[in-house]
Amino acid sequence: DAKTTQPTSMDCAEGRAANLPCNHSTISGNEYVYWYRQIHSQGPQYIIHGLKNNETNEMASLIITEDRKSSTLILPHATLRDTAVYYCIVRVGHGQNFVFGPGTRLSVLP
Amino acid sequence: DAGVTQSPTHLIKTRGQQVTLRCSPKSGHDTVSWYQQALGQGPQFIFQYYEEEERQRGNFPDRFSGHQFPNYSSELNVNALLLGDSALYLCASSRTGSGGYTFGSGTRLTVV
Repeated sequence: DAKTTQPTSMDCAEGRAANLPCNHSTISGNEYVYWYRQIHSQGPQYIIHGLKNNETNEMASLIITEDRKSSTLILPHATLRDTAVYYCIVRVGHGQNFVFGPGTRLSVLP
Repeated sequence: DAGVTQSPTHLIKTRGQQVTLRCSPKSGHDTVSWYQQALGQGPQFIFQYYEEEERQRGNFPDRFSGHQFPNYSSELNVNALLLGDSALYLCASSRTGSGGYTFGSGTRLTVV
């Protein structure tokens, strides 16, 4: 079973920041938080991952709370092409498989 | 640099038949994982191959089997197809010691 909880769906206005929350209250000290997204009928696409520090790349920022029980993925300026299902996953190390939950369906509205 | 390549993109099979799906990993990757994604659900882990051996397996019956070749490419075989096997089958590759997976676009299998 997935070890994360995410809202089923969210809307965001085009050009605004999209903030996607994820709860992982049972996360262990050696588990990373990963975010993937899946645009309709395509394979999941890697976005970002982190352990305990906040991370930023060209796609998004990942904010992890100090107790690591939750995190937020931030898309700073959402576009229509960001409409997708976003998956938050926790995983130990680099060898374990990813366990996907149902994710959050983000709709970016014009 | 080619990413993960899967073939075929679409496939229709009859219940009871057998099917083989193929995956070429991203250049430099040596580990291949397979996932099944039913409509409206998240991907479900089937198994993972490394050094031509099955390293991890999810909760799937023995009808699902796989193989990894010396060039790291992989096949997923499903025997005695059921209607419930209709899904998008995703292949993901990674490099040992690195974190992320690169997914292919998948094979859409329809069992009729």
